[in-house]
Amino acid sequence: AQSVAQPEDQVNVAEGNPLTVKCTYSVSGNPYLFWYVQYPNRGLQFLLKYITGDNLVKGSYGFEAEFNKSQTSFHLKKPSALVSDSALYFCAVRETGNTPLVFGKGTRLSVIA
Amino acid sequence: DAGVIQSPRHEVTEMGQEVTLRCKPISGHDYLFWYRQTMMRGLELLIYFNNNVPIDDSGMPEDRFSAKMPNASFSTLKIQPSEPRDSAVYFCASKPGQFYTEAFFGQGTRLTVV
Repeated sequence: AQSVAQPEDQVNVAEGNPLTVKCTYSVSGNPYLFWYVQYPNRGLQFLLKYITGDNLVKGSYGFEAEFNKSQTSFHLKKPSALVSDSALYFCAVRETGNTPLVFGKGTRLSVIA
Repeated sequence: DAGVIQSPRHEVTEMGQEVTLRCKPISGHDYLFWYRQTMMRGLELLIYFNNNVPIDDSGMPEDRFSAKMPNASFSTLKIQPSEPRDSAVYFCASKPGQFYTEAFFGQGTRLTVV
């Protein structure tokens, strides 16, 4: 069965500093990996995905993620954090093309001015 | 497109009452998913449909929960009778049929059962 782990419930970072939100996954075949962001009282918004190809994926709002097959990780990164990046971030995995996403528990990012 | 539309945004009901949550997916999307979000369990898949047909309802917690998709533009999630432990945010999401596309989420319905 597929699963996702986000080891940190909360990440705090100062504005302007780089940020990393961690994600590891477990699937039996090739992983299809996604990051979503949730702002207060809103639905989930898609940030980026890895399907195949380049291990570094660029997405919305300056975010990027690096796929590492040997470490089964897909960490979300941004070179310079903004206060407006403060939100709940979810990593998700899908084992085949059209099966539902399986989500991690989420990591709350707080960017402090 | 207006995106995935859910109604109501908030629902407060008394224990034992029937609750119906509604979802209008994005036009042309072949897949529709219902998720539930709680602090304790995070985001859980309840059920999903492909071309209006339920594919997997193994996430539906009890027989009190039922979901329908009578046509491509409408789905409902019904809880009867409702219980306080059903309090959560319920999300609907839809996805095109092409492989590896992302799902698009509605803004959710916050359900409170008192």
